Amino acid sequence: QKEVEQDPGPLSVPEGAIVSLNCTYSNSAFQYFMWYRQYSRKGPELLMYTYSSGNKEDGRFTAQVDKSSKYISLFIRDSQPSDSATYLCAMTGIGGSRLTFGEGTQLTVNP
Amino acid sequence: DTAVSQTPKYLVTQMGNDKSIKCEQNLGHDTMYWYKQDSKKFLKIMFSYNNKELIINETVPNRFSPKSPDKAHLNLHINSLELGDSAVYFCASSLPIPGLREAHNEQFFGPGTRLTVL
Repeated sequence: QKEVEQDPGPLSVPEGAIVSLNCTYSNSAFQYFMWYRQYSRKGPELLMYTYSSGNKEDGRFTAQVDKSSKYISLFIRDSQPSDSATYLCAMTGIGGSRLTFGEGTQLTVNP
Repeated sequence: DTAVSQTPKYLVTQMGNDKSIKCEQNLGHDTMYWYKQDSKKFLKIMFSYNNKELIINETVPNRFSPKSPDKAHLNLHINSLELGDSAVYFCASSLPIPGLREAHNEQFFGPGTRLTVL
C-alpha cells in the first residue's frame, strides 16, 4: 500500500467550475502538507502548504487538512483554463526534508 | 536567471551507455535532490544532499551515482542504462518555510531532463 494515495484522474471540468482534489495518507507522522502544480513538460511548483490540521485560503485556492481522517483536499474556485495542470499532493514529517508525493491528478479546465 | 537549471533537457541514448545529467541552483540553498518521475507522473525521490553530504539514498540501483562538487551543484551519473531508466529526472533544492518553528523545506524544482533509453 502506498503511503499517499491520490486519484490520477484525468479530471475534466468546464471553466468556472469548483474543483476538488484529494489525497489520503497512512503515515501519522506527516505534519506538513503541500500541493504542487505541474504544467506539461515543466517542473512542479509549490502552490500551497499547511502545517497540521486546518484550512488555508489563497485567492481561488483553499487547502484543507483533516488529520483525524488522514485526508487532505485542494479546492479551486472559478476554475480557469490556465489551471489545467497536474496537481500533486506532498507531505512530510517534522524536521524532515523527505517529501512523499501522491501520484498526481491531471486536471483540464475547458473554456 | 533560472533558479534551478538542468542540462540536458532531453537525452536519447542506447541501452548500455553511460550518461550524466547536471544540475545547478543559484538560490543559495543547502539541500539538493534528485527525483524520478515515471510515465504515470509518479514522483519519487532518489537522493538528497545537504552541503555536499549525502543524506537521503533511496533504494536506487548502484548504476546511479550522484556527485556534489559544491552545494550549488548536484550531478547524476548513470552507468549501463536500461530501458526502465526512461523517465523524467528532476533536480530540486530546498529552503525552509519561514515562520514555522520546525521548518519543513519548500522544494524548488528544475525543468526536468527527459531521458529515453532505446
